[in-house]
Amino acid sequence: DADVTQTPRNRITKTGKRIMLECSQTKGHDRMYWYRQDPGLGLQLIYYSFDVKDINKGEISDGYSVSRQAQAKFSLSLESAIPNQTALYFCATQGHLGEKLFFGSGTQLSVL
Amino acid sequence: GENVEQHPSTLSVQEGDSAVIKCTYSDSASNYFPWYKQELGKGPQLIIDIRSNVGEKKDQRIAVTLNKTAKHFSLHITETQPEDSAVYFCAALTQAGTALIFGKGTTLSVSS
Repeated sequence: DADVTQTPRNRITKTGKRIMLECSQTKGHDRMYWYRQDPGLGLQLIYYSFDVKDINKGEISDGYSVSRQAQAKFSLSLESAIPNQTALYFCATQGHLGEKLFFGSGTQLSVL
Repeated sequence: GENVEQHPSTLSVQEGDSAVIKCTYSDSASNYFPWYKQELGKGPQLIIDIRSNVGEKKDQRIAVTLNKTAKHFSLHITETQPEDSAVYFCAALTQAGTALIFGKGTTLSVSS
């Protein structure tokens, strides 16, 4: 089983819909991240969390929200999806600052 | 905040040739520089990293060099093989920072 699991793997939705992307991990890591990948733009940080009570905005948090339901679960929500949020979304975990990130397999989101 | 620029955006080499990808960073306090490889349909995976107290690090066919004065670091892949074809991302972590900032990625194609 994967250490970092993202669901769903693919999602097509319509403009204005609310959508949640979920991430769960079995690494026992406190640090979790959401990144967005667009062709030619690399990986951009959306939100990150260092424990259940800690939530921080990243480079591109507008239009997104997150919830850290437990150490193992970190979900990303789009309250009202818009077409320019079409992208590949990655969740990642990390044991300690400066250690390697473990990425999930990604969620491809298309907003029509 | 930290800004990481990566060049080239695409790189094509013949099998057996060397490949070099370069990154520059803006924050002189940055102290950790990892490189991630992303294969098609997968999340990025760490392949090598370097910290600011080291100038060079090697792992078999892969090496990373760091020039703190010029604020740039490079990935060197020797004797390239078709399985090296992937997207490569550099990243930087500032001393005061709490998350990695990634470059925009380099698509490496190795033809046999």
